[in-house]
Amino acid sequence: QKEVEQNSGPLSVPEGAIASLNCTYSDRGSQSFFWYRQYSGKSPELIMSIYSNGDKEDGRFTAQLNKASQYVSLLIRDSQPSDSATYLCAVERESGGSYIPTFGRGTSLIVHP
Amino acid sequence: GAVVSQHPSWVICKSGTSVKIECRSLDFQATTMFWYRQFPKQSLMLMATSNEGSKATYEQGVEKDKFLINHASLTLSTLTVTSAHPEDSSFYICSESYLGLAGGQETQYFGPGTRLLVL
Repeated sequence: QKEVEQNSGPLSVPEGAIASLNCTYSDRGSQSFFWYRQYSGKSPELIMSIYSNGDKEDGRFTAQLNKASQYVSLLIRDSQPSDSATYLCAVERESGGSYIPTFGRGTSLIVHP
Repeated sequence: GAVVSQHPSWVICKSGTSVKIECRSLDFQATTMFWYRQFPKQSLMLMATSNEGSKATYEQGVEKDKFLINHASLTLSTLTVTSAHPEDSSFYICSESYLGLAGGQETQYFGPGTRLLVL
């Protein structure tokens, strides 16, 4: 069973703080890693993708990948109330020419003013 | 950027009827399409994976005769919920896998979802 684990939260941070979201995965063959944001009642939207160990920064978002420890994290700097949403971690593995994703249950983030 | 549309966005139907949901890629030709179901406050559950011109691959526990998937072209996939029952009420989301130009990495883009309510 390939699993992606996330703390369901909610994670509550004050406006302007750094929000840190974590995700672990069980399949060492995983090759691609993604963070999606999902607002209530909406479908997920891609925030970040990361494929190699280290950090990847995009604006206020930083994704961190550590394949040896099998974890991927997302840091949100200067958190805003509009960042309040559920953040889904997704892990993909190539299988028979297709890339099959596995999603975590998501972490609920609340940014309070 | 890549755009994926779904139709309809909302559907209410009587128990026993069939409902068809369309997933259409507007910006690119998708290599693979995925269909998910999401119950309230639950994660995305992958139902099936399909490639254009071939039969869909269903996840364990998903009835292929109940959830019919047709991937007729690189830009259109349909999910038909046959003989729908109240327990099929859920949020159905399609996504399309796009092979990026640089680095050859595949990324998924989600449609806006279809909310199904079976009375």
